[in-house]
Parts: sequence; structure tokens; C-alpha cells
Amino acid sequence: DIQMTQSPSSLSASVGDRITVTCRSSQDINTYLAWYQQKPGKVPKLLVSGASSLHSGVPSKFSGSGSGTDFILTISNLQPEDFATYYCQQYNSYPLTFGGGTKVEI
Amino acid sequence: QLQLQESGPGLVKPSETLSLTCLVSGDSIFSYNTYWGWIRQPPGKGLEWIGSVFDSRTNYYNPSLGSRVTISVDTSKNQLHLTVYSVTAADTAVYFCARRRRYFGFDPWGQGTLVIVSS
Repeated sequence: DIQMTQSPSSLSASVGDRITVTCRSSQDINTYLAWYQQKPGKVPKLLVSGASSLHSGVPSKFSGSGSGTDFILTISNLQPEDFATYYCQQYNSYPLTFGGGTKVEI
Repeated sequence: QLQLQESGPGLVKPSETLSLTCLVSGDSIFSYNTYWGWIRQPPGKGLEWIGSVFDSRTNYYNPSLGSRVTISVDTSKNQLHLTVYSVTAADTAVYFCARRRRYFGFDPWGQGTLVIVSS
């Protein structure tokens, strides 16, 4: 199985900050990586596919980068609605696997 | 607009069978290059992929659940089904169904249904 490791597991930030979340895979997954945002009690929302392609309707303040084993999600100009947990997920091979999540707190 | 809606019992006894249904509306479960999957999330924990079905007949399962899981499709009703056998408290989770197009992540997701395994 491909292990997905996110760091940090949590971070504190302020409104207006720019933050980065890192995701590392245990094997080369090319760019078959997605990022999700999940707010408490809500459904995960797809932000990025293909490591860097923003999903329809996702604001450009979100950006993804990386390929191979190392990936980054960047969020610019952090707003109150961005405080959530973010997950990466690889779909290069089965079983599909998620990272453990990064909780972004105020 | 594509919508997914999970349904099923909210409480299952240990050692019994958990059965959930996902009603798909706004898209055909036969859609080209489309996977239909189940993902679960134990309370306060992260996401775990359970399995997916492609082209209504090719199944992929998470080995972590062993042979306890079956995913099937009812094409006449445009529904996806999940069966988990011999459940334990560790199967307590919110269960989501979701669509994944080839080369993309899961989107959209159903609203999720909480299943508690308890006697």
C-alpha cells in the first residue's frame, strides 16, 4: 500500500496568512493526487486533482504543486472560512489512500 | 446536477451485517470512465477508502477490510450498495458514497450516514 504522510498534523494561523500543507507518498504517484477540505460535521470538498488542477468553483487562493512523492497545498490570504481539515489522497494505485489530515486552526 | 444520497440503519449489532445504499441521481451509474466508491470516517478520525466499482462490474477493495466487504450496483435503480459482514465497534463511522472520474479525486460526495456498531 502507498502511505500518505501529511505535515504538519495541525497548524495555527491568522486571517490573512499564507500557509502550506505538505503531503508525501511512500512511492512515486506521478501527479495522481487530490486535496480535500473538510469542515466539522461536513462532507469533504474536492479542491485539487492531478496535484495542481483546481476543481471547478474552487477559488484561486488555493494552489497545489508537486509530483512524484512530494506535494504541497498552499492557501493564500487565509480567511475564517478556510479554517478546516485538509486531506491529500493518492489515486495512482489501489488501495486508494488518504493522508492523516492537517487541521488548520485560528 | 449529480446528487448522491446514502441510506441504511444507523445502528448495527456486533457480528451482524451492515448494509447501505447510495442513490445516484443526475448521472448514470454507467457513466464513462467513472468509479463509484465508498469511504468511511470514524468519529474524530480521518478518511478511509473502503472500495470502488468501475463500469458496474469491476470491483476494487481495501485489503484492510479483508473479505468482509462487498460493493454492488443495481443498474435498474441507479443505486450503489455496500455490505460489510461481521461488524465490530471498529466499523463505527460515517459512511460516504462518492463518484470519482478517472484522473480526478472524489466529487461529489453524499452527505454521509452515521453507522454505530453496538449491542
